Parts: sequence; structure tokens; C-alpha cells
Amino acid sequence: QKEVEQNSGPLSVPEGAIASLNCTYSDRGSQSFFWYRQYSGKSPELIMFIYSNGDKEDGRFTAQLNKASQYVSLLIRDSQPSDSATYLCAVNPFSGGYQKVTFGTGTKLQVIP
Amino acid sequence: DGGITQSPKYLFRKEGQNVTLSCEQNLNHDAMYWYRQDPGQGLRLIYYSQIVNDFQKGDIAEGYSVSREKKESFPLTVTSAQKNPTAFYLCASSPGFEAFFGQGTRLTVV
Repeated sequence: QKEVEQNSGPLSVPEGAIASLNCTYSDRGSQSFFWYRQYSGKSPELIMFIYSNGDKEDGRFTAQLNKASQYVSLLIRDSQPSDSATYLCAVNPFSGGYQKVTFGTGTKLQVIP
Repeated sequence: DGGITQSPKYLFRKEGQNVTLSCEQNLNHDAMYWYRQDPGQGLRLIYYSQIVNDFQKGDIAEGYSVSREKKESFPLTVTSAQKNPTAFYLCASSPGFEAFFGQGTRLTVV
């Protein structure tokens, strides 16, 4: 069984701080990695994807991938109350097609004003 | 506006009834997916379709059925054989690498 593990949280950070969300995966051959944000009662929204080792930055978000350690993380700089949501990590053993994607259970982030 | 439309947003089902959840997309994506999400759990794949008139079972297909007669449409039927259908159902479509989700249908058995 392919697994994607996340700490369920809640992770509480003060406004303006850096939030660090972590995800580990069991399939060493995984090719592509996604971070989704899901507000309560809403659908997931893709915020970042990464497929090469290292960092990928997009605005206040940075995704970090370490395939050797089977670890992917999401950093949110200058956290805002509007960032309060559940963040889902998703891992794909392939570079395309979503039918084999495994989703983690999500980490709930609370940004305290 | 391009997007994925799911309807209804809320649905109530009596025991023993079949219900159909609608999913329409105008993004011209070939692949479409149905997921189920339970509280505190990740998304689980029910069915997927990569082309018209073809679909495949996902991890939890028992008690569900789908059709794909048009590229734009991928309806999901929750049958009476599904013993625990209360959940949040999400439809997604994909151009290949990433997936985009509809707004979801929350199904409750009453």
C-alpha cells in the first residue's frame, strides 16, 4: 500500500511567521508531488507542484523536495489568517495521469492574528 | 468561464435509493475523476475515465457506477449497494499533469 503521511495538526503559527508543512511518502519511485489547499467545506485548490529535487518558489510559497529522504515540504512565508486551511500533500508515481495519485490526510494550519 | 461544475451542492438520500451526482467540465480535458472524502481522511479514488466511452475502477468502486458518454460529462451514481455513502464527493478533470476540482457534492443519508 502506497502511503503519504502528514501530521494532522493543527499547526498554529502567528501572523507574519513562516509555516512549515511536511509530508513523507513510501514509494521511492514517485515522480511528481502536489500541494493542495482546502478551506473547510470547499474543494482542494492546487497551489504548488514539484518534480525535481530542491526548492521551487512561487510568491510566498516554497515547495521543497528531497527524493533520497522521501520527503516533501511546503513553506509559507509571511503567513496570513487567510492561509488558515487544511493542506493536502499528493504524490504521483508517474509524471502524468492522476489515477495513481495518493493523497495524504492533510495538515490543518491555523494562522493566529 | 472555464471550469468544473458539480451539482447539486447538497444531496440527501434515503436508505435504499440510488442517486446521481452531476459533473460537467468545459476545460476540454480528456481525463476525469471521482473522489470521495471522509472527515479527517485523504481523497480516495472511486472511478476515472481517460477518454469518452471508457472508464476504470479506482480504489473504492464498490457500490458506485459511472458513465462517460460525452467528453464534458462524467456523472456518478451512488447505488443502494454502497453501505456508507455519507461523504463529500469531488469530481476532477486533468489535462495530463495536474488535476482541477469541482466544488463538491455533500451527500447525506437520512
